[in-house]
Amino acid sequence: DIVMNQSPDSLAVSLGERATINCKSSQSVLHSSINKNYIAWYQQKPGQPPKLLIYWASTRESGVPDRFSGSGSVTDFTLTISSLQAEDAAVYYCQQYYRPPRTFGQGTRVEIK
Amino acid sequence: QVQLQQWGSGLLKPSETLSLTCAVSGESFSDSDSYWSWIRQAPGKGLEWIGEIHRGGSTIYNPSLKSRVTISRDTSNSQFFLRLSSVTAADTAVYYCARGLQTAWELAGYWGRGTLVTVSS
Repeated sequence: DIVMNQSPDSLAVSLGERATINCKSSQSVLHSSINKNYIAWYQQKPGQPPKLLIYWASTRESGVPDRFSGSGSVTDFTLTISSLQAEDAAVYYCQQYYRPPRTFGQGTRVEIK
Repeated sequence: QVQLQQWGSGLLKPSETLSLTCAVSGESFSDSDSYWSWIRQAPGKGLEWIGEIHRGGSTIYNPSLKSRVTISRDTSNSQFFLRLSSVTAADTAVYYCARGLQTAWELAGYWGRGTLVTVSS
């Protein structure tokens, strides 16, 4: 299995400040022939299903605010919230969908400072 | 817009079989190029991928659950199903059905609202 490790487990950020979440995979998730990284990022608020934010490591899903961005390649990835808003308080998960089982990171809780 | 509505048994005793249904609307299920999956989340924990079924009916399961899991589908009714046998307290979780995107079949682009399944004697 590809193991996904997120850091930090939690962080507190002031409104309007930047939040950065890291995700590291135990194996490459880069499909070199098409040059795509099979990484997705989800946001989950209490009592709700996760919501897809980013896929192919850096493609924003339709309707997702542009303060959310993804970057990285091969085994190291980052989700950045450029200017944290109150509604961004949530748990964020990365997922590799390169190989089954399509594993998730353990989650990072983002709180407002 | 694709929508997923799910339902199923919410309270089980140990050794019973969990059965959940996910109904897909907003698209032609049989014509859709995507994967449909089940994902679960134990109380206060992270997300665990259970498995998926493909357009042609083939399935892939998480090896950790493979001996107990069956995912199937009914294309005529635009539904897919999860069965998990011999449940224990460790299977207590919210179970989600999900569907991939047209451009990325393997991920979970659309989600059901989740079904809480509790296993207790």
